[in-house]
Amino acid sequence: ILNVEQSPQSLHVQEGDSTNFTCSFPSSNFYALHWYRWETAKSPEALFVMTLNGDEKKKGRISATLNTKEGYSYLYIKGSQPEDSATYLCASMNTGFQKLVFGTGTRLLVSP
Amino acid sequence: DTEVTQTPKHLVMGMTNKKSLKCEQHMGHRAMYWYKQKAKKPPELMFVYSYEKLSINESVPSRFSPECPNSSLLNLHLHALQPEDSALYLCASSHLAQVVSGANVLTFGAGSRLTVL
Repeated sequence: ILNVEQSPQSLHVQEGDSTNFTCSFPSSNFYALHWYRWETAKSPEALFVMTLNGDEKKKGRISATLNTKEGYSYLYIKGSQPEDSATYLCASMNTGFQKLVFGTGTRLLVSP
Repeated sequence: DTEVTQTPKHLVMGMTNKKSLKCEQHMGHRAMYWYKQKAKKPPELMFVYSYEKLSINESVPSRFSPECPNSSLLNLHLHALQPEDSALYLCASSHLAQVVSGANVLTFGAGSRLTVL
């Protein structure tokens, strides 16, 4: 069974703070790691897909890194804004499975 | 059009009812998915259609019956559901199925919130 874990479960920061979350996944037979951003009452929206060890992706103030050897990915948000408030989901796929397996998400609340 | 549209947004049904959830995309994606999400749990894959053929059924009970009438539409027919089936049902699509390339990004709909009484 492929188990994907995210920490922390929730996070409350002030506007302007920088923050980061962790996604842990089995490193054996790794294939791909996805990050999605999910605002309440909206659709989950893809942020990044990473496949190679050492990958780093950036989209505005949000960036992500990937370590496939030790089985983790970090998502960083620089200078958090209230509109960053959302649940951030990661999902991993390995070559033994035919599907993405999601973590339970990190719920971020940014206060003005 | 870069959206996945799901209807209805909310559905309340009794255990003897028959209802359907609908999903539509016009991005030319050839893979479509149904996920189920219960509160504080991760989305769980139910079904995958690839080129309008069912390619993955994650041992879902037969009271859930998927249908893919064409490349743009995906339905989930519901019959004789149980209260524990109450959940958010998410539809997603991707250019190709995850089994072909795990790097295929999923485009999700906003979900249908189902309550079974």
